[in-house]
Amino acid sequence: NAGVTQTPKFQVLKTGQSMTLQCAQDMNHNSMYWYRQDPGMGLRLIYYSASEGTTDKGEVPNGYNVSRLNKREFSLRLESAAPSQTSVYFCASTGQGNTEAFFGQGTRLTVV
Amino acid sequence: RKEVEQDPGPFNVPEGATVAFNCTYSNSASQSFFWYRQDCRKEPKLLMSVYSSGNEDGRFTAQLNRASQYISLLIRDSKLSDSATYLCVVNEDSGYALNFGKGTSLLVTP
Repeated sequence: NAGVTQTPKFQVLKTGQSMTLQCAQDMNHNSMYWYRQDPGMGLRLIYYSASEGTTDKGEVPNGYNVSRLNKREFSLRLESAAPSQTSVYFCASTGQGNTEAFFGQGTRLTVV
Repeated sequence: RKEVEQDPGPFNVPEGATVAFNCTYSNSASQSFFWYRQDCRKEPKLLMSVYSSGNEDGRFTAQLNRASQYISLLIRDSKLSDSATYLCVVNEDSGYALNFGKGTSLLVTP
C-alpha cells in the first residue's frame, strides 16, 4: 500500500534552473496539498487542490506553479529556482470530510 | 489567515514523566482536530484525532475545549521513543484546510 509517493527524494539545483516535484496518491483522495518546511517555520502551505481540475494558492505561492493532472497526481513546479527555495517539500492528501492527512516522504531540495 | 499556536518548547523530561502540550486556535468554526508526530523532519504522521468528548490511546490522551479554543495532548510514562516534534492540526472549513501549528519539541532523557 503505497499511500502518497513523492519524487525525487533529494535534489540539488543551481539558481535559475527549473524542476518539477511529482506527487501521486493511490487512496482516491479528493484533496491534495504541497507544503514546505523550513527550520523554525513549521509547515507552510504553498498550494492545494480541493478536487481534480482546481488549484488554489496557499500561504507562500510565489515562485511556484502547480498542476492537478488527474485525481491521483499533483505536481509542483519551480520555474526559476532561488536559494530561498531551499527547503523540505511535503505533498499530502485527504479524503472526503474532515479526515486525517497522509504525507509523502518529502523532497529535500537545495538550491545553490 | 487563521492561526494555530503552540509552545515550541523544547520540553525536556525524564523517562517516566508526564508531559502536556496545549495548542490554541483562532477560528471558532474549525471542524476537526488532530495531533501529528514528526521525527527529524521526516513526514508527519497521525498520532491521534481529537474528539469533543476527549479520547485516549494507551499513554496518550487528547482533549478539546471548544469554549476556550484549545486542544491538549497528555503523554504519561514518557519513553525515550516519544522524543519528537508534536504538531497540532486544525481542519477548518473550505479554504486553508489542514492548518498546522509550528510544533512542540519533546526530548525524553534517560
